[in-house]
Formats: sequence, structure tokens, C-alpha cells
Amino acid sequence: DQQVKQNSPSLSVQEGRISILNCDYTNSMFDYFLWYKKYPAEGPTFLISISSIKDKNEDGRFTVFLNKSAKHLSLHIVPSQPGDSAVYFCAAPSEGGSEKLVFGKGTKLTVNP
Amino acid sequence: DVKVTQSSRYLVKRTGEKVFLECVQDMDHENMFWYRQDPGLGLRLIYFSYDVKMKEKGDIPEGYSVSREKKERFSLILESASTNQTSMYLCASSSTGPPQYFGPGTRLTVT
Repeated sequence: DQQVKQNSPSLSVQEGRISILNCDYTNSMFDYFLWYKKYPAEGPTFLISISSIKDKNEDGRFTVFLNKSAKHLSLHIVPSQPGDSAVYFCAAPSEGGSEKLVFGKGTKLTVNP
Repeated sequence: DVKVTQSSRYLVKRTGEKVFLECVQDMDHENMFWYRQDPGLGLRLIYFSYDVKMKEKGDIPEGYSVSREKKERFSLILESASTNQTSMYLCASSSTGPPQYFGPGTRLTVT
């Protein structure tokens, strides 16, 4: 049973517009969420995180929103740039400890010039 | 510039062979991880290590073992490779908590 779900395998947006990547989770005990970005032929890189005590965390063009009642988080990229084209994974630490992440399957974002 | 390096980008092995995947980090990180990535399944944790000679099983440890004799080096071992272990293998490290930096990955094909 997948605890972290990214239901959209792909997303395509125009340069300059907003990209919204969604993630749902099933375990209400999750207290911390992370987003990673992965370019082809490279390993993932940590992008941004949010603690469950917050509902928003912002870092430059990237903002993550958390809706605990809906068990939903989203990553907003504004404005989107072609260099943002990558696969984005959301993740949460499992009950096994903060080191043990459960990952979503990823969403491939394409930003068109 | 921080680095996690993996010994091979591509590897082809035969069923039944013993396979070693090596990972080295230069950040003096305590934690090191091995994940595999498969289409439609995301990243799944195989093992992680929080100190030299210390290890913990992840979600899918079956068929794998690990070795951490030095802080900077974490090895993944497939004792007898099988075709269902064909995958992309990613090593990662962190000073504490979840992975911060990943290596570029090793694409292993078992024939």
C-alpha cells in the first residue's frame, strides 16, 4: 500500500507560468515532508521541506503548501523556467525513523520555452 | 563542491554472479543509504548505515547485504544476482536524518 502518492506522472507548463505538483499521503503520523528534484542521468537533489507544524514554506521560486486535514501537499514553482524540467519526488519519513523515507513515484515536469 | 560518487554508471552481470556496488562520499557524513529506483515504483530504501559497521534494513533488503568499514565508503553487495535485481541503484548520504545528497546512480542489468 503506497503511503505517499503522486497521481500525475507528468505535467507540462509554459515558461513563466506556475507549476503545481501534487502529493497525497495516507499516514496522519507523518510530521515532515520533503521534495526532491531529479534530472536525467543524475541522482535526486533535495529541494525543499516542510514540517507538519507549518502550512507553508517558501524558498525563492519554490513554495510547498501542506493541508493536513486533506493529507495533501503541493509544490508551487513560480515562475517556471525550462531548467526546472525534471522529475519531482515527494517523500516523508516512515515510522521506522527520520532516515527511512517513503517516496512517491514522481511527477515529470516539462517547462516549454 | 559536495560529492557522492558511485563506482560505475553502467554494469552488466550474469545471473548468480556476486556483485559489488561501491559508494564514496567526501562530506564526512554519518549516514549513508542505498536505494533502488524502478519505473512506476519510485525510490525504495534497501539499507542504510548510521555509522561505521552499523546498518539497518530498509524496505527491501532481501537479496542484498551492505558493508561500511570506513566512514566515507558504503558498499552494496548482491550475493547471487538475479534478473529481478536489474534496476537503477542510488547511493546517498546525510549528516543527520534523511538523505541530502545522492550519487549519479548505477544502472545494473542482470542477464
